Amino acid sequence: DAGVIQSPRHEVTEMGQEVTLRCKPISGHNSLFWYRQTMMRGLELLIYFNNNVPIDDSGMPEDRFSAKMPNASFSTLKIQPSEPRDSAVYFCASQPYVGGRNTEAFFGQGTRLTVV
Amino acid sequence: AQSVTQLDSQVPVFEEAPVELRCNYSSSVSVYLFWYVQYPNQGLQLLLKYLSGSTLVKGINGFEAEFNKSQTSFHLRKPSVHISDTAEYFCAVSETGGFKTIFGAGTRLFVKA
Repeated sequence: DAGVIQSPRHEVTEMGQEVTLRCKPISGHNSLFWYRQTMMRGLELLIYFNNNVPIDDSGMPEDRFSAKMPNASFSTLKIQPSEPRDSAVYFCASQPYVGGRNTEAFFGQGTRLTVV
Repeated sequence: AQSVTQLDSQVPVFEEAPVELRCNYSSSVSVYLFWYVQYPNQGLQLLLKYLSGSTLVKGINGFEAEFNKSQTSFHLRKPSVHISDTAEYFCAVSETGGFKTIFGAGTRLFVKA
C-alpha cells in the first residue's frame, strides 16, 4: 500500500480564498483523522471519522472549517474563507480496526498551508 | 478524558550517549500508549506501541519504552544515539476501545557530534 496520501503537499493562498485539502486513507482502515500542527499549539486533533461518519468535530476551530468523507477512500478538509492564522501543516491519518480494537494511526506527509 | 505530558521540550545529547525522553499520561480507564517520531518536513511514524502484555516494549531503530502503570509513565529510551536520531518525538495515548489518540506536545531530540 502507498500509505496515506495527502494533496497538495504545499498550498499558498490569499486571505479570503477557499482552500481544500485532500486525503486518501490506507485501504481497509476504518478511522480517519485530521490534525493541525503549529509551533504554538503543537498537534491538534480537528475531527475524526469512523466508517465515514464524523464522530467528533469538537476540535474544529471555527465554522470556517468543514470536513467530509463521502466514501471510505477519500476525505476533504475545507477552509472558507481562509485567514493567515490558519497557516499550519495539516495531517491526515488513518487507523485500522484489528482484533477487535483500534491500534496505531498512520500519518500522511502533510499539507503545508500558507495563507498570505 | 486523557492527557499526555512530555516533560522535556528539548533534549540535547552527544552522539553515542544514552537518552531518555519522559512521558506521563492521565486517564481514568485503561489505555494504549505510543511513541511516534517526526523527521523534518515529514509526517509522524510509529516507533513503538504498548497495547497489552510485557511492559517493556521494543521498537524500531533501537528504541524501547517501559509502561509503568503505578507511575502512569511511558518513558522512551535508547542506549546509544546517532546523529540520525535527531527529530521530534511524540508520546500518545488512546483509550482501549476508543477511537481518538491524544498527543503530547513533543520533545525535540538534538544529537550532537
